[in-house]
Amino acid sequence: SYELTQPPSVSVSPGQTASITCSGDKLGDKYGYWYQQKPGQSPVLVIYQHNKRPSGIPERFSGSNSGNTATLTISGTQAMDEADYYCQAWDSSTVVFGGGTKLTVL
Amino acid sequence: QVQLVESGGGVVQPGGSLRLSCAASGFTFRNYGMHWVRQAPGKGLEWVAVTSSDGSNKDYADSVKGRFTISRDSSKNTLYLQMNSLRAEDTAVYYCVKRGDDCSGGRCSLGYWGQGTLVTVSS
Repeated sequence: SYELTQPPSVSVSPGQTASITCSGDKLGDKYGYWYQQKPGQSPVLVIYQHNKRPSGIPERFSGSNSGNTATLTISGTQAMDEADYYCQAWDSSTVVFGGGTKLTVL
Repeated sequence: QVQLVESGGGVVQPGGSLRLSCAASGFTFRNYGMHWVRQAPGKGLEWVAVTSSDGSNKDYADSVKGRFTISRDSSKNTLYLQMNSLRAEDTAVYYCVKRGDDCSGGRCSLGYWGQGTLVTVSS
């Protein structure tokens, strides 16, 4: 079965740039998606089709993809960005999530 | 605005059954594929099942195949998940999810999530 691998945790200082990676075999051949989940809340889509932002998502969120790795980048990270982030891809007709990355802003 | 309200969660014994419902509003339900995604306490997201907009195509995670059934009633704007032969490892918050409007090649984001309903499988 298809697997997506994320680092369990990433730390960043306020105002700095945070990068969260997601690795999977030939991930670049699939569209990558990213979701943000804050404690006690439901996930929210922040990036779709590798690098597009839904309406209402701040410009500081961006995505990229190269080869087997997709990356979520948060520029000028704010305290409110502290959350769990999940990457997602389609494997044929099923959905696969990465294990999630806890972003700490300190 | 889009609203997805899950119900039907609760405590059930191992081997038991439960049916979850998701009442949808704020969009044309019959035009959208829908998913169930679950999250065990303190764990990550796990996709469970998807149904096409007309209910003719369905897919399941291997972990629930043969035990869970996703269905929909567009006359009631409601999505269902019938869960049989429940196990302790099925304990989780179950989210109803509407596909996004960003489809390409038949693949879309999981665009909007309900608040979830908790299922606990325990004796």
